[in-house]
Amino acid sequence: QVQLQESGPGLVRPSATLSLTCTVSGGSISTFYWSWIRQPPGKGLEWIAYVYYSGTTDYNPSLRSRITTVVDTSKSQFSLKLSSVTAADTAVYYCASLEPYGDPTMRWYWGPGILVTVSS
Amino acid sequence: EIVLTQSPGTLSLSPGERAALSCRASQSVSRNYLTWYQQKPGQAPRLLIYGASSRATGIPDRFSGSGSGTDFTLTISRLEPEDFAVYYCQQYGSSPGTFGQGTKVEIK
Repeated sequence: QVQLQESGPGLVRPSATLSLTCTVSGGSISTFYWSWIRQPPGKGLEWIAYVYYSGTTDYNPSLRSRITTVVDTSKSQFSLKLSSVTAADTAVYYCASLEPYGDPTMRWYWGPGILVTVSS
Repeated sequence: EIVLTQSPGTLSLSPGERAALSCRASQSVSRNYLTWYQQKPGQAPRLLIYGASSRATGIPDRFSGSGSGTDFTLTISRLEPEDFAVYYCQQYGSSPGTFGQGTKVEIK
């Protein structure tokens, strides 16, 4: 069973960098397609980034200049850094994994999410 | 990127009624890689349907997904009280994967 868990601070100061880590268990670390998604309070789901096992990344154009992602397969982890945050970045942040990647029956697995509040 | 448009925005129905939710894509979804989620307040999205029509483990058979290409439908055959929630579609056939804006199913 694939499981994901987000971790990181729940409060970030304005203009600082938001840093989150997702730990994946039960999934493939050789062939993966991982994602960060967020949901501001009372709003819909917004994709932030996709990371492929090949090293290719897709970043949401509206956030691209502020995003950095890092993959550590030795720990089955991937991380998100979002710089220069404002109150508009307050949201529940989810990580997700598409498993088994490349298989016709592949499906998304999600973490429980972490609320990150940007406030002084 | 592919834009997904869900309709209606809100669906007001009574328990026992049938619900049909639409998800329309701006271009064809490759291999019908489309997912439906249910979300209740304070909870993470719950996977209902993947691959347009495959029910996820543990999902009641009153939920069904259909469609192909650019038009997809989630049908709830008879609404139970616990089905009143927000529903999202997501396509993952083309990168980047994108979400619809959601349909709220509320009690009439």
